[in-house]
Order: sequence, then structure tokens, then C-alpha cells
Amino acid sequence: QQQVKQSPQSLIVQKGGISIINCAYENTAFDYFPWYQQFPGKGPALLIAIRPDVSEKKEGRFTISFNKSAKQFSLHIMDSQPGDSATYFCAAAKQGAQKLVFGQGTRLTINP
Amino acid sequence: DTAVSQTPKYLVTQMGNDKSIKCEQNLGHDTMYWYKQDSKKFLKIMFSYNNKELIINETVPNRFSPKSPDKAHLNLHINSLELGDSAVYFCASSLRGNQPQHFGDGTRLSIL
Repeated sequence: QQQVKQSPQSLIVQKGGISIINCAYENTAFDYFPWYQQFPGKGPALLIAIRPDVSEKKEGRFTISFNKSAKQFSLHIMDSQPGDSATYFCAAAKQGAQKLVFGQGTRLTINP
Repeated sequence: DTAVSQTPKYLVTQMGNDKSIKCEQNLGHDTMYWYKQDSKKFLKIMFSYNNKELIINETVPNRFSPKSPDKAHLNLHINSLELGDSAVYFCASSLRGNQPQHFGDGTRLSIL
């Protein structure tokens, strides 16, 4: 049973464009939603995270949009750059629980 | 300064062998984790330890045995390696079992 579903599996965006990756979750007890960025040969690194008391969080070119009623959240990368090319994972966790449940990952390619 | 370090980075071995992967963190965290990333890049938690105490064991075969000599170290020992154990194994750590989790760069295990 996949508790966090991520789409698309792969995405190609032109430099300067907006990259959008979507995630949907099932467990309403989840209350922490991070996005991780992974480069080849490296471990996942936290990019940005949100809790359900806000609908949007922005850090530089990266924005998380959160829709609690739809149980969906998304990552928007504005002005996408070739250096953003990586695999992105959404995840979810319950407060106080150590277990992070990951989505399947999205391979993002930014064409110069 | 490497925050979460794993050794070795690559491990190639024969089916049936026993091998260990070591993990150390210098972040002062008290909770450590092992994740498995399969060939499709799906990330799944295997174990978590809090102050040397096992907290999460995600239905992992008992051929896998984590050992935490102190809160800065969490090693993974695997007995009787099988072809299906080929994957990238990531160690992570966090403070008091809360988020965010910080990941190492992984150990790529290949079973011949």
C-alpha cells in the first residue's frame, strides 16, 4: 500500500520555466511534509518542508503548496536552472513519529 | 566536515556472504536510521534507533541486524546475502526522533 503517491515519474523543463511536482497522501494523521532533493551518488537532502497549519511556504525559488482537504501537496520550482536537475522526493510523517514515508520520486531534468 | 558518514561507499560481494556497513554522525543527534533505496529509487525505512534502543523495525528479514554501540554510531550487519539485497543503503540521523532527518551519501551494495 503506497501511502504517498508522487507524480510525474519524470519531468523535463526548459531553463527559466516552472517545475511542478505533485504528491497525494492517504493518512490524515500525517502532519509533516518535506521535500528532499537527491543528486546522483549522494543522499537525499532536505529542501523545504511544511506543516498543515499553513497552505503555502516559500524559500527562494522553491514553494510548497498544501491542500489539506484534498490531501495533496506540491513543489513548485520557479526559474528552473540546470543545477536543479536531480531526483525529488516528497515525504510525510506523523508528529512524534520517526518514520518518514516517501513518494516514488521524480527525476527532473532542466534543459539549458 | 561530513555530518553523516557511511563506509564503505561501494560493496561488491558474493551471494551467501556476510557483510557490514558502518555509519557515524557528528551532529550530536540521538536518533539514527537505516533506509533501503531499490533500483527504482524507492526509499523505505528499515530501522530506527533512539539512544541505542531499537524503535522501528519495518518487517525486515532477520538476516539484517542493526547494532548501535553508542548514539553516534549505527552499523548494519547482513547475513547470508541474497541477490535481492542489492540496493543503496542510506543511514540518517535526527534530533530526538523529530524531523528533519539528515542522510549520508549511501552504500551501494551489489551481490554477484
